[in-house]
Amino acid sequence: GAVVSQHPSRVICKSGTSVKIECRSLDFQATTMFWYRQFPKQSLMLMATSNEGSKATYEQGVEKDKFLINHASLTLSTLTVTSAHPEDSSFYICSAPPTGQETQYFGPGTRLLVL
Amino acid sequence: AQSVSQHNHHVILSEAASLELGCNYSYGGTVNLFWYVQYPGQHLQLLLKYFSGDPLVKGIKGFEAEFIKSKFSFNLRKPSVQWSDTAEYFCAVILYNQGGKLIFGQGTELSVKP
Repeated sequence: GAVVSQHPSRVICKSGTSVKIECRSLDFQATTMFWYRQFPKQSLMLMATSNEGSKATYEQGVEKDKFLINHASLTLSTLTVTSAHPEDSSFYICSAPPTGQETQYFGPGTRLLVL
Repeated sequence: AQSVSQHNHHVILSEAASLELGCNYSYGGTVNLFWYVQYPGQHLQLLLKYFSGDPLVKGIKGFEAEFIKSKFSFNLRKPSVQWSDTAEYFCAVILYNQGGKLIFGQGTELSVKP
């Protein structure tokens, strides 16, 4: 089946620093990838849609200058949390549908803790 | 606005009990629906999906779901749950008019007592 990986799986950083999270589709190409945020005991909230070769589309209320998304290739999207603050601590999950398909496959998530 | 609602936040069952988790959606376009499962410490996995055809969809691990268009529902069922079914279950609808993004329900935590 389709596999999506994320790196790192967890990261702890100081307030004010930037953190980059990678999302890779390992055995398929994805022109679109999605980034979600999940708080404990809550559902996934879509943050943005990452599009290969064009700008990301952000959901209402998500700061595009804070959460920088780059879809560098058909198998890689990165989310950079800039100037992270404790309230950015969360579980970040990416997903990707193989190009031409609707079913999304999810990465294992990245747990971010900002001190 | 498009939305997905899961009525049960936390369900506790004993092994061998039957399961039904409710999911209702609000979306006017072509409806494609999904159930995902998130086992403790693991990533989301697809249980089953409905795109078209037979409204009764069978998924992995003995799960099934029925799409009832008139009720805007896509309830998840399993005749006999196991302890290993303990997990968080999410219903989702795909929005084709918004780039294919998924809208998730709030999730239902299922705890199965051995």
